[in-house]
Amino acid sequence: QKEVEQNSGPLSVPEGAIASLNCTYSDRGSQSFFWYRQYSGKSPELIMSIYSNGDKEDGRFTAQLNKASQYVSLLIRDSQPSDSATYLCAVIRSNDYKLSFGAGTTVTVRA
Amino acid sequence: KAGVTQTPRYLIKTRGQQVTLSCSPISGHRSVSWYQQTPGQGLQFLFEYFSETQRNKGNFPGRFSGRQFSNSRSEMNVSTLELGDSALYLCASSLIAGARHEQYFGPGTRLTVT
Repeated sequence: QKEVEQNSGPLSVPEGAIASLNCTYSDRGSQSFFWYRQYSGKSPELIMSIYSNGDKEDGRFTAQLNKASQYVSLLIRDSQPSDSATYLCAVIRSNDYKLSFGAGTTVTVRA
Repeated sequence: KAGVTQTPRYLIKTRGQQVTLSCSPISGHRSVSWYQQTPGQGLQFLFEYFSETQRNKGNFPGRFSGRQFSNSRSEMNVSTLELGDSALYLCASSLIAGARHEQYFGPGTRLTVT
């Protein structure tokens, strides 16, 4: 079982719609979770961090965490063409504090 | 505040050579981590340094090494380069090491081995 798994995508959504990205993790003791956005040819950019169960909103982005289900999600509301990128879910392992990444989900927003 | 900087940005080497990559973290950040990113393997952790000490190491051969200086700047070295070492090498810095540290990435060094 992979440490961090994301829906494989690619995910194509029309402009203005909600993009929903999912991530599951295997380490039940993990406490810190992150979403990074990576444009083609660029480095990952941190867009959200979440540490407690529930929702965390930042502009058009909402991260949701459910530790009991070992599940993290990212919602992008009112999707824009500039949101077209690969989104990486990352989790800090509880035993050694290494940051473990999922394979990423590529999102394309259609104008 | 300036972000993470990496030099050089692009590098072309031949098999058997060695290479040294440099990373300057965000001012005040003391932890530096290195990652390798390839299309097939995704982002893979190489090692993490904090206060000049290696705290964690990923599953890479001994050809990959690193160090951190007293000003938190870090270098990684790859000896006896192989074709499979062609990748984007990313450095990330964080304020501290530990369970809640947010990591910020530099622009990366794209290494091509021919």
